[in-house]
Amino acid sequence: AQSVTQLGSHVSVSEGALVLLRCNYSSSVPPYLFWYVQYPNQGLQLLLKYTTGATLVKGINGFEAEFKKSETSFHLTKPSAHMSDAAEYFCAVNPRNFNKFYFGSGTKLNVKP
Amino acid sequence: GAVVSQHPSWVICKSGTSVKIECRSLDFQATTMFWYRQFPKQSLMLMATSNEGSKATYEQGVEKDKFLINHASLTLSTLTVTSAHPEDSSFYICSARSRDANTGELFFGEGSRLTVL
Repeated sequence: AQSVTQLGSHVSVSEGALVLLRCNYSSSVPPYLFWYVQYPNQGLQLLLKYTTGATLVKGINGFEAEFKKSETSFHLTKPSAHMSDAAEYFCAVNPRNFNKFYFGSGTKLNVKP
Repeated sequence: GAVVSQHPSWVICKSGTSVKIECRSLDFQATTMFWYRQFPKQSLMLMATSNEGSKATYEQGVEKDKFLINHASLTLSTLTVTSAHPEDSSFYICSARSRDANTGELFFGEGSRLTVL
């Protein structure tokens, strides 16, 4: 069975500080991996994705994530947080079976001035 | 990128009435669309998967007679909440997968906030 674990339902950082949002998955084969961002009362917007190739992927708004097969992780980072980054972030996994898509429980990022 | 549009964004209705939410893929054809429900401060809960021209597949615990899903074309899926009650109040989000996509990426609508009085 697939599962996606996001450690920390709430993360708070100061503006300009490093952002690190954690995501671990369980899968028998390397899945497709995604990070989505959700602003209040809005749908989800794709930040970045890993499918194949380079394990460090860059996304929009300065975010990047690294796929580590040995750790079954896909942590999201940004070197310097901006106030506009405050939102909820969801890690998602597609086990290369197009009929299923699994979401983590979400991490709410708070950015302090 | 691909655009998915949901309508309405906000809807308030009286208990006992039915509400229809539309989900459209604007610039691509979607053979599969997904409907999610999101409770406050929680993740997305998959309600059902709809495939164009066939019956939707509902997740366990989701009442198919209450949440009617129709996927009549490659660009439109609808969710109808029948005989709505206050406990149906929630944020409903649709997503779609492009027929041409090979990476499993989902494109999401903006969501529809349903409030049942």
